[in-house]
Amino acid sequence: DVKVTQSSRYLVKRTGEKVFLECVQDMDHENMFWYRQDPGLGLRLIYFSYDVKMKEKGDIPEGYSVSREKKERFSLILESASTNQTSMYLCASSLGRAGNTIYFGEGSWLTVV
Amino acid sequence: EDQVTQSPEALRLQEGESSSLNCSYTVSGLRGLFWYRQDPGKGPEFLFTLYSAGEEKEKERLKATLTKKESFLHITAPKPEDSATYLCAVQDYGGSQGNLIFGKGTKLSVKP
Repeated sequence: DVKVTQSSRYLVKRTGEKVFLECVQDMDHENMFWYRQDPGLGLRLIYFSYDVKMKEKGDIPEGYSVSREKKERFSLILESASTNQTSMYLCASSLGRAGNTIYFGEGSWLTVV
Repeated sequence: EDQVTQSPEALRLQEGESSSLNCSYTVSGLRGLFWYRQDPGKGPEFLFTLYSAGEEKEKERLKATLTKKESFLHITAPKPEDSATYLCAVQDYGGSQGNLIFGKGTKLSVKP
């Protein structure tokens, strides 16, 4: 079975804090993605990675960075959290060739106060 | 610009009342169209992938179809446990490494 695991389901952080969201997949997938999901806006891509140490910006990368030191792990970093980053964050992965299914984790609910 | 529009935004059905959800898309070249189910507070769960016009896929009470401009998710004799938000997404040949463009979803409620 496909498994994408996000380490934290619920987080509450203060404005200005540095926040790490961790994601691990056990399917040897080349591609990994970070989306955020907001009511009325749907899912929007923040960053994705198609190989270890490789990354590309998605539609809304401002205020975020990512790290992929190992193939199975993809981290999303909020350098200085702000209240407008309160959201549901979804990690996903897929095999390298486009057209393959993207599988999602359970999501991380982040509240910035 | 790639676009995905889902309708209706919300749909209320009685148990056993069949209906269809629509996903209209605009892409330069369709690599794949994906349907997901999302329960409240959880990540999207993969249902189907369709690659070419005329293709159909079925799973239990769900059947997905694809034309050159839209896809339908048909729900036959739904049950309350089918209540969820259904998301449609497309991959464009011009897109990077298989990124998906999502619609905003249809929230389905099935009453007993």
